Amino acid sequence: SQELEQSPQSLIVQEGKNLTINCTSSKTLYGLYWYKQKYGEGLIFLMMLQKGGEEKSHEKITAKLDEKKQQSSLHITASQPSHAGIYLCGAEVFGDMRFGAGTRLTVKP
Amino acid sequence: GAVVSQHPSWVICKSGTSVKIECRSLDFQATTMFWYRQFPKQSLMLMATSNEGSKATYEQGVEKDKFLINHASLTLSTLTVTSAHPEDSSFYICSARDGSGGAYEQFFGPGTRLTVL
Repeated sequence: SQELEQSPQSLIVQEGKNLTINCTSSKTLYGLYWYKQKYGEGLIFLMMLQKGGEEKSHEKITAKLDEKKQQSSLHITASQPSHAGIYLCGAEVFGDMRFGAGTRLTVKP
Repeated sequence: GAVVSQHPSWVICKSGTSVKIECRSLDFQATTMFWYRQFPKQSLMLMATSNEGSKATYEQGVEKDKFLINHASLTLSTLTVTSAHPEDSSFYICSARDGSGGAYEQFFGPGTRLTVL
């Protein structure tokens, strides 16, 4: 089965700092999704990547998928308290969405 | 974008009772719906996949008789937690896939927080 490993598990940064979250797959990814969530709330769709080398940005968040399509990174520039939450990467596996363990981000004002 | 609703958003019940959670796709027909559960500080774990009009496919370790899933129409799936116990307390999230046009994106509901006393 395809496993998604996320790192780091948790991250505490000072407001204004940049940060990167990684998601690594044991198999080739054919669709990689990034979501943000606060426990007890729904998922917020951030971005989807499909092509090797693809990069997408939304406001201060940039996601990339490497050429081999086995690793993705999520980069936040000039973090703000509103960025705090759990970031999950997900991938389609035979039609089912599987998730990484998540990265808990805390942004200190 | 496509909207998925869940009802109730939270529920508290006594141990031994059954609880039904509804998941609805509001503006599209969902040929496939998924149920996830999430414990505090953990990721979402897929419980089962259901296709309209057929039996749900459960993930290994998920009790079929305890978590009854019904996907009777293209816009509604229900998850019934039978004889709930405190260890079933969790956050349950459903998602739905629009079956038209070969789309693969899943749309998630807002989740249901279940507390079993």
